[in-house]
Amino acid sequence: SYVLTQPPSVSVAPGKTARITCGGNNIGSKSVHWYQQKPGQAPVLVIYYDSDRPSGIPERFSGSNSGNTATLTISRVEAGDEADYYCQVWDSSSDHFVVFGGGTKLTVL
Amino acid sequence: QVQLQESGPGLVKPSETLSLTCTVSGGSISSYYWSWIRQPAGKGLEWIGRIYTSGSTNYNPSLKSRVTMSVDTSKNQFSLKLSSVTAADTAVYYCARDLPISSSSSNWFDPWGQGTLVTVSS
Repeated sequence: SYVLTQPPSVSVAPGKTARITCGGNNIGSKSVHWYQQKPGQAPVLVIYYDSDRPSGIPERFSGSNSGNTATLTISRVEAGDEADYYCQVWDSSSDHFVVFGGGTKLTVL
Repeated sequence: QVQLQESGPGLVKPSETLSLTCTVSGGSISSYYWSWIRQPAGKGLEWIGRIYTSGSTNYNPSLKSRVTMSVDTSKNQFSLKLSSVTAADTAVYYCARDLPISSSSSNWFDPWGQGTLVTVSS
């Protein structure tokens, strides 16, 4: 089945830019979606179709996808961005359908 | 604005069947796929499966032999049954809507229910 690899943790100072990667074989050929999950809360969609933002998500959140890596970029990081972030794809090549990355803990220093 | 709410027993005995229902409010259940996703404490997200409003289903192969999903459009609800549970099935269970509407691939999930903790223990 398809595997998505995320770094377990990323740390960034307030006001700086955080980049969270999601690696997968030829992931650039798939649509990647990203979720933010704060402690004790359900995940919230922050990016879909690689780079589209749902209404209500700040422009500071952006996404890109090419080759074997998709990236979620958070600009001007705030303390409130501290959370776990998960990437997700639809794997039409197998019957596993939905694949999530292992998640990345973003720590705001 | 569509909202989802999971309901069901928070404690299930080993070897028994876990049963959960998701109630959809603020919109129609029709023409969408609806998914169940779970998350063991301190771990990542695992997709369990999905159901379309016609009753068509897709399940995660790792759980397929134990999973049954159903939908009741008259009540705007869909349900999950997971049989022969063990401690490894202890998790927070989420229901979520698949988007885009009526799409069978490249789906994402929005919104999610708040989640319900199910503990498997005697």
